[in-house]
Amino acid sequence: QKEVEQNSGPLSVPEGAIASLNCTYSDRGSQSFFWYRQYSGKSPELIMFIYSNGDKEDGRFTAQLNKASQYVSLLIRDSQPSDSATYLCAVIGGGADGLTFGKGTHLIIQP
Amino acid sequence: DAGITQSPRYKITETGRQVTLMCHQTWSHSYMFWYRQDLGHGLRLIYYSAAADITDKGEVPDGYVVSRSKTENFPLTLESATRSQTSVYFCASRGWTGADSYEQYFGPGTRLTVT
Repeated sequence: QKEVEQNSGPLSVPEGAIASLNCTYSDRGSQSFFWYRQYSGKSPELIMFIYSNGDKEDGRFTAQLNKASQYVSLLIRDSQPSDSATYLCAVIGGGADGLTFGKGTHLIIQP
Repeated sequence: DAGITQSPRYKITETGRQVTLMCHQTWSHSYMFWYRQDLGHGLRLIYYSAAADITDKGEVPDGYVVSRSKTENFPLTLESATRSQTSVYFCASRGWTGADSYEQYFGPGTRLTVT
């Protein structure tokens, strides 16, 4: 069974600093990787996706993928209080169509 | 408005009753999904559909039934609700734009309580 592991946190980061969120996955056949942000009581919102090894940048967000180590991360630069949320890592691949999610990391940005 | 909607947003029902959660999307996405989210388990896939009249089980399908007669609708039915089905249910969809396009977009969710 596919597994996606995340540290549940909470991860506390000062405002303006870099927040680093990590995720490991068990299925080497996983092809695509996603980061969702979920505010309390709201639905998951897609913020980044990455398919190839290396880095992908979008504004203050950078996703990093290392398939050899089965590791994906999300960096948030210049963290803002509005970034406080739960961040969900999700993977897909190996012929499956649905996403497999980690349990999420609760991020707190301290003003 | 374009997007993905779910109804009802909140539902309280009794054990043993049948309840149907509705999902509607206006993007004409081919794929639709139902997930449940529980503390300690995260989001888990219940059922999904690749197109109208094509459905398949996910990780936790027991106790649920789905149908998809139209591309835009994907209802989820709990035939005889149990307390263990108390959860937040999210519908999601994605288009088919090629082998490398798997981005899914979520509806606002339905909070279901079974008493």
